[in-house]
Amino acid sequence: AQKVTQAQTEISVVEKEDVTLDCVYETRDTTYYLFWYKQPPSGELVFLIRRNSFDEQNEISGRYSWNFQKSTSSFNFTITASQVVDSAVYFCALSGETSGSRLTFGEGTQLTVNP
Amino acid sequence: KAGVTQTPRYLIKTRGQQVTLSCSPISGHRSVSWYQQTPGQGLQFLFEYFSETQRNKGNFPGRFSGRQFSNSRSEMNVSTLELGDSALYLCASRSAGGAYNEQFFGPGTRLTVL
Repeated sequence: AQKVTQAQTEISVVEKEDVTLDCVYETRDTTYYLFWYKQPPSGELVFLIRRNSFDEQNEISGRYSWNFQKSTSSFNFTITASQVVDSAVYFCALSGETSGSRLTFGEGTQLTVNP
Repeated sequence: KAGVTQTPRYLIKTRGQQVTLSCSPISGHRSVSWYQQTPGQGLQFLFEYFSETQRNKGNFPGRFSGRQFSNSRSEMNVSTLELGDSALYLCASRSAGGAYNEQFFGPGTRLTVL
């Protein structure tokens, strides 16, 4: 069975601080994909990134960066110089060979960025 | 391109009633998935439809059903509503290029069962 764990339920930071959201996953699939989604108060899940199990290269997109480490089954997400607009719930998700396109989500991390 | 649209955005029903939710995917997307989000259980997969066929199904009772039309629009039906069905129901679409392509979500339908 697949499982995604986001141990941080809530994080509160002050604007301009850097913040890292942790994600640990479990799967027996050889081929799998990891995702991050953002859910603002409006409710819609916004896609941020997809990473496959064969690509451990870290990625940076503006203030966002992702660190994928297969050795520790982790796919962590860092926001640099956080802004109030970053306040949202962030979800890490997993899909793989045995689940097809079905996403298994973590519990989510509520990030609050205070001015 | 227009995003995924869901109607209605809000619904209030009473126990025992049935409800139908609608989802229109992004133009050109043939896969539609449904998820239920509750504070207690988080985000859970309901089912996926591709070219009018159910491809994948989550662990929900038979009261939850769905279908997809030839234009890729999808509907989800819940019969004999229970209080525990109160949730945000999210629809997602993805392009047909691969099962692991990113899914794009709609704004959701918030269902309240009284």
